[in-house]
Amino acid sequence: GAGVSQSPRYKVAKRGQDVALRCDPISGHVSLFWYQQALGQGPEFLTYFQNEAQLDKSGLPSDRFFAERPEGSVSTLKIQRTQQEDSAVYLCASSLDRQGRGAQETQYFGPGTRLLVL
Amino acid sequence: KQEVTQIPAALSVPEGENLVLNCSFTDSAIYNLQWFRQDPGKGLTSLLLIQSSQREQTSGRLNASLDKSSGRSTLYIAASQPGDSATYLCAVRGGSEKLVFGKGTKLTVNP
Repeated sequence: GAGVSQSPRYKVAKRGQDVALRCDPISGHVSLFWYQQALGQGPEFLTYFQNEAQLDKSGLPSDRFFAERPEGSVSTLKIQRTQQEDSAVYLCASSLDRQGRGAQETQYFGPGTRLLVL
Repeated sequence: KQEVTQIPAALSVPEGENLVLNCSFTDSAIYNLQWFRQDPGKGLTSLLLIQSSQREQTSGRLNASLDKSSGRSTLYIAASQPGDSATYLCAVRGGSEKLVFGKGTKLTVNP
């Protein structure tokens, strides 16, 4: 079946612009995650949804970052007033997370959106 | 706060060699540990997931071990091939759903 897809794959923004990054998880996956990966670093957690509920947003670096998943499927990560330090690859992942087996479920990652803020 | 360290940061080996990648984590209260592979410009591919109650997992030429009490995991790759060249990431899951990643080991297998 289809994996996690993300769009756009590349985004160049001028400093101060708003951007919106889209994630389509694997169909039927309950959990959805956003991670930020700076060059040469491992991914860092941003936020987590279970269905449409945002259960953890502790990794969002500032109030300029906002994520939503209104119908429990597609998710959008929005960054307002982008700054150069926002340049990174933004990765989305989903997992099945069946109740009682959440700890055992693998997270499947999309290809990422590479954001460059000039 | 959980911290994950991977050693070495980069490794270059000739084709056919067996090799070991190391991962250590500071908080032993984990649910599972995963090894991922990342190719340039691509997302992450899960290789192996080890539950906290397990000691090792195997898939083909890959074997991952977990010593939770000492906060260590190793990924063993047998008979390495040029196609194994990639960055290998270790990630642990603790009490929450999120994964905490190391910075990765960049592996180059030379023909």
